[in-house]
Amino acid sequence: NAGVMQNPRHLVRRRGQEARLRCSPMKGHSHVYWYRQLPEEGLKFMVYLQKENIIDESGMPKERFSAEFPKEGPSILRIQQVVRGDSAAYFCASSPELAGNQGEQYFGPGTRLTVT
Amino acid sequence: AQSVTQLGSHVSVSEGALVLLRCNYSSSVPPYLFWYVQYPNQGLQLLLKYTSAATLVKGINGFEAEFKKSETSFHLTKPSAHMSDAAEYFCAVSSSGYSTLTFGKGTMLLVSP
Repeated sequence: NAGVMQNPRHLVRRRGQEARLRCSPMKGHSHVYWYRQLPEEGLKFMVYLQKENIIDESGMPKERFSAEFPKEGPSILRIQQVVRGDSAAYFCASSPELAGNQGEQYFGPGTRLTVT
Repeated sequence: AQSVTQLGSHVSVSEGALVLLRCNYSSSVPPYLFWYVQYPNQGLQLLLKYTSAATLVKGINGFEAEFKKSETSFHLTKPSAHMSDAAEYFCAVSSSGYSTLTFGKGTMLLVSP
């Protein structure tokens, strides 16, 4: 059973470019979460999605950031016009339906974004 | 609102010594509590979780944690450290029925020979 997959693992973008980060949840999981990890910081929640729905985006910056989880295909975290402050590790996690879930999330290996 | 405080950004122990990593939480509802471990340049791996069953929780790699409601704590322990335990450890909390995790800032465990 494959775990949570993220690609690319490393992404380098120049200031002003767009970054697209992809996440494929574990098989059978329909809930996806994105977190950002800055140096010397813990993980900060960004957005929580189910298929075709954004459930909670309270942790997303108001501008330049967007996320989707389409009916088919991976979840995408999109950052437009990247700035140096966007450099971080972005982690995706997935979980099964809430009824059978006690808050446990399974994490991918992360995408390390570097903005030059 | 929930929050997690991990005391000590770095903890150093000798191989074979007791490991104690501290975590205190704040939650307005009965919490679910987790410890995750992160090895360099990798994702997070679940060590153990507390979900209102037994207050002493055993996890992988010989780690365990005890939920103490009166102290709002969930400290992680291991009787004897191995070199392979060197990693960063994160404590996290979520509300029952809503799975967004709130993480502490992490504690880097250093193990010396």
